[in-house]
Amino acid sequence: SQQGEEDPQALSIQEGENATMNCSYKTSINNLQWYRQNSGRGLVHLILIRSNEREKHSGRLRVTLDTSKKSSSLLITASRAADTASYFCATDGRGTSGSRLTFGEGTQLTVNP
Amino acid sequence: DGGITQSPKYLFRKEGQNVTLSCEQNLNHDAMYWYRQDPGQGLRLIYYSQIVNDFQKGDIAEGYSVSREKKESFPLTVTSAQKNPTAFYLCASSISLAGGLYNEQFFGPGTRLTVL
Repeated sequence: SQQGEEDPQALSIQEGENATMNCSYKTSINNLQWYRQNSGRGLVHLILIRSNEREKHSGRLRVTLDTSKKSSSLLITASRAADTASYFCATDGRGTSGSRLTFGEGTQLTVNP
Repeated sequence: DGGITQSPKYLFRKEGQNVTLSCEQNLNHDAMYWYRQDPGQGLRLIYYSQIVNDFQKGDIAEGYSVSREKKESFPLTVTSAQKNPTAFYLCASSISLAGGLYNEQFFGPGTRLTVL
């Protein structure tokens, strides 16, 4: 069963604007990760936030985690055309064996020049 | 140049044929994974392995088989029993630590399989 669900499914913005994507999940987690996928390519890890963290930054990326609401958000500031890609959240659920992740359906972000 | 590689990039299969997708990593990772991705959708786990000579079924293992004879290699065979094998297949690897606290996954470039 899918653990993470992203919202919105698709997002189109202009260059320079901020993009916010949300992820909801169902069970308790050890950590939550965000990945990026360019069309027809493999996924690239962006950021990991642990269950005891509330916010994390990496360059133009800001991730928040609210374990009480079982949700996370990814904010990309000052977006660029090169940010056009699909973005996936992935959760590592507590109680699951080893390092298995469960991925959501993804948000397709289009940044228009 | 460390990383994870997959071959071939494109693969065409006739119905009834078995095909094997290659996945190799030189990151010294213990864990390896195979995912299937259909157009516009997320990743679904087929099989994963946390150590040599051991592997577990994921969510959609039917019609697939794997082996893990070497730490670096985790080939996936798509058998004729897989009813709808046309998809994009992604291999990944990660350090496997207790509790999964440091389990960032590194992905290969993928193999696109088409059944003719």
